[in-house]
Order: sequence, then C-alpha cells, then structure tokens
Amino acid sequence: QVQLQESGPGLVKPSETLSLTCTVSGGSISSYYWSWSRQPPGRGLEWIGHISYNGSTNYNPSLKSRVTVSADTSKNQFSLKLSSVTAADTAVYYCARGRLATAAFGRKYFYMDVWGKGTTVTVSS
Amino acid sequence: SYELTQPPSVSVSPGQTASITCSGDKLGDKYACWYQQKPGQSPVLVIYQDRKRPSGIPERFSGSNSGNTATLTISGTQAMDEADYYCQAWDSTTVVFGGGTKLTVL
Repeated sequence: QVQLQESGPGLVKPSETLSLTCTVSGGSISSYYWSWSRQPPGRGLEWIGHISYNGSTNYNPSLKSRVTVSADTSKNQFSLKLSSVTAADTAVYYCARGRLATAAFGRKYFYMDVWGKGTTVTVSS
Repeated sequence: SYELTQPPSVSVSPGQTASITCSGDKLGDKYACWYQQKPGQSPVLVIYQDRKRPSGIPERFSGSNSGNTATLTISGTQAMDEADYYCQAWDSTTVVFGGGTKLTVL
C-alpha cells in the first residue's frame, strides 16, 4: 500500500525558507494529487497547497505568496518550500495523497486518503 | 474565501449517537468529507463524497449534506471514537478545512 514520509529540518530560523520533502513508496506520484497541510500546536488543520499528477499547482490564498510545491518524479518525491517564515509557521507539517473526482452535474470533490505521520517544524532563532 | 464552521466540542455517552455539524454557504452544493484525528496521530479519512466510507471504516460512521450543513453521525459511539473531527470541502481550486470538533465520549 502507498506510504508517505515527510523529511526535513526540524528547526528553521525566522525569515529563512522552510523546506520539506515527502517520499512516496508503494505507488507513483504520476497519478493523483499530492498535498501539504499543517497543524500549529493545539490548533486545527490548515491546507497549504498541492501539486497534481500533471504538474499543476494550487495554493491556499493566505499562503500563496510564500509557498512553492514541486515534484521530482524520478525520485517519487514532492516538496514544500515556505519562505520568510515566522514563529506563526511553527507546526506539524503533513503530506498526503489527494483525489479529485467529478460526480453528477460536473460537481467536483476532493479528499485526502493517505497521510504521512507528520514532521514537527519549529521556527526559532 | 470559503469558510467551514464546526462546533468546538461535542459530548456523547457510550452507545449513544453523536452528531457533528459543519456549516458553510451552500455547502450542500459541494461535497464534504470528514477526518478523524486522535492525539499525536495523523488524520484518517472516515467519510468522503458526503456519505461514502473508505475501506476499513466501521459502519457506525455515516454522513449527510444538505442546504448549508454537512453532518457526521456516529451511531453506537465507542470510547475509541473519542478524537478530533474535521470536515473538508473543495472550493473551486482550493481545499478548505473546518476548525475541528473535539468529540468526548463520557
């Protein structure tokens, strides 16, 4: 079965760029959508963005100016870069597999059915 | 931007039915899904496309969506169902999460 594993630095300095990688095993990233979400301590989930099987990207409007999601199909990995971080970006970061489907009358729906275990990133000097 | 609103907390007695709501403008015209998250764990999909259960999710989990409200219903709630629950919808090109509901089984 498909498994996802996040990796990257656990500590990032303010104003620097947070970089994380998600390695996918048991399946190819050439299908589906590949998403990043995060969860600040004691708070709820926040979607960051995703990359589709064809390389198109979508981002949370509130983070769009600072976020880049990219993929490396040769390594079966996808990555997150979040620039100009502050303490507010301290969170557990999750990668997940997403599915976008179309139902009756052209209505689309999206859900994430496989998640990584998450990695904690702290922004601090 | 589109917003989804959930009650912060819901309590239920073991064996009873728990209902968790998720409200959004004309949410019934979209599809909702639900995730369960236990402390220290990753979210788990429990309902997608309003009412479908992924493989391995118990039948006591069900969903509905109409008007401005989607509802996750847990019948015969068990102690193991105590967790945070998040609704999620697709809005044009973006993913939106609700704020989450803490379900307490007591």
